[in-house]
Amino acid sequence: DTGVSQNPRHKITKRGQNVTFRCDPISEHNRLYWYRQTLGQGPEFLTYFQNEAQLEKSRLLSDRFSAERPKGSFSTLEIQRTEQGDSAMYLCASSQPFFDFNTGELFFGEGSRLTVL
Amino acid sequence: DQQVKQNSPSLSVQEGRISILNCDYTNSMFDYFLWYKKYPAEGPTFLISISSIKDKNEDGRFTVFLNKSAKHLSLHIVPSQPGDSAVYFCAASARAGNTGKLIFGQGTTLQVKP
Repeated sequence: DTGVSQNPRHKITKRGQNVTFRCDPISEHNRLYWYRQTLGQGPEFLTYFQNEAQLEKSRLLSDRFSAERPKGSFSTLEIQRTEQGDSAMYLCASSQPFFDFNTGELFFGEGSRLTVL
Repeated sequence: DQQVKQNSPSLSVQEGRISILNCDYTNSMFDYFLWYKKYPAEGPTFLISISSIKDKNEDGRFTVFLNKSAKHLSLHIVPSQPGDSAVYFCAASARAGNTGKLIFGQGTTLQVKP
């Protein structure tokens, strides 16, 4: 399978715990994105990387959230001191360096669902 | 502030008929619009896009119409098939940044009945 891979697919945690999600993009894609989707809403942009550089972060990404892409390949998204409001689907996507709007080449993974009790 | 809105949470149509999904936006800086389809337990997949310099783009059974003056776009699926049953997201971007930072609507769940 050469698509975007995310794990774990589902994480249940207690409020206050830390969680980490991993994303493995399509190998030749050097742009990687994180989105968050809550129930009844569309995906919301969180952050994106060009290789290992984090180029933009949304205001949605509070200081409890940190994303890394240390070697320009896989990425991790860590949430510290989780809150119930963090419960959502966390989607990772990847693309070529120049996003092609004609073909919409933003490839999404299946997502990691977080449930905070 | 919801910059992209899909006001119909759900739509049900009969197989073979036309499905029309609507989307409104507020930001006049948006110059590219995309539709994504999402099946349960899968990530969204790209369906069709349109530039703001066009008013129509067609790809097989799927056509997207853009009305810039009304800040409105619609996706037409003709004929609708049961396999089209999914959640459809409208998304927009200001291309100047040339990034994959898309603003999504809330989604419309389409059910196509056999």
